[in-house]
Amino acid sequence: KAGVTQTPRYLIKTRGQQVTLSCSPISGHRSVSWYQQTPGQGLQFLFEYFSETQRNKGNFPGRFSGRQFSNSRSEMNVSTLELGDSALYLCASSSADRAEAFFGQGTRLTVV
Amino acid sequence: ELKVEQNPLFLSMQEGKNYTIYCNYSTTSDRLYWYRQDPGKSLESLFVLLSNGAVKQEGRLMASLDTKARLSTLHITAAVHDLSATYFCAVGYGGATNKLIFGTGTLLAVQP
Repeated sequence: KAGVTQTPRYLIKTRGQQVTLSCSPISGHRSVSWYQQTPGQGLQFLFEYFSETQRNKGNFPGRFSGRQFSNSRSEMNVSTLELGDSALYLCASSSADRAEAFFGQGTRLTVV
Repeated sequence: ELKVEQNPLFLSMQEGKNYTIYCNYSTTSDRLYWYRQDPGKSLESLFVLLSNGAVKQEGRLMASLDTKARLSTLHITAAVHDLSATYFCAVGYGGATNKLIFGTGTLLAVQP
């Protein structure tokens, strides 16, 4: 059974640009959550999608957005990139509410 | 706002010794997760604790949950070098959501 797949694995972007990250959950999982991991702030919740609907959003500016498609694949977008957006972005999928969350390998974003 | 405190932040221990990592959280929750992260890698699920008094063991690691005290522990028995990693606890919100709030992580270094 394939795990959670995130693409790309690495990205280098310039300040002011925008970026789109992709996450394919485990087959059959309808819940996808996104987290940002930085050395200073640790692991922070960005948002959660379930059946194409955003159920929860963390305390991030509106530059951070996401969506989920009918096949449960999810994308997150960050516009007008700032240096502080450099981080490891992790996606997790779950089979049901309150179930175990399985994480992808992450996308390491570097903003220069 | 749910807050999760983990201690210690850093733990250096010798092979063969025992130690415990503590995870305290601020509001009621009935589910807690432990993850392991190796440098540059994603999060590996270790334990899912879903009820008061739950205890789970895998190899040299044992996790427990006391929902009344809002406390979970991860006990390491007879540590070996392969256990060196960062360990995170994560607490789930109530209701229909898979949103997790993570602790700060404990960097475990097992010295030969």
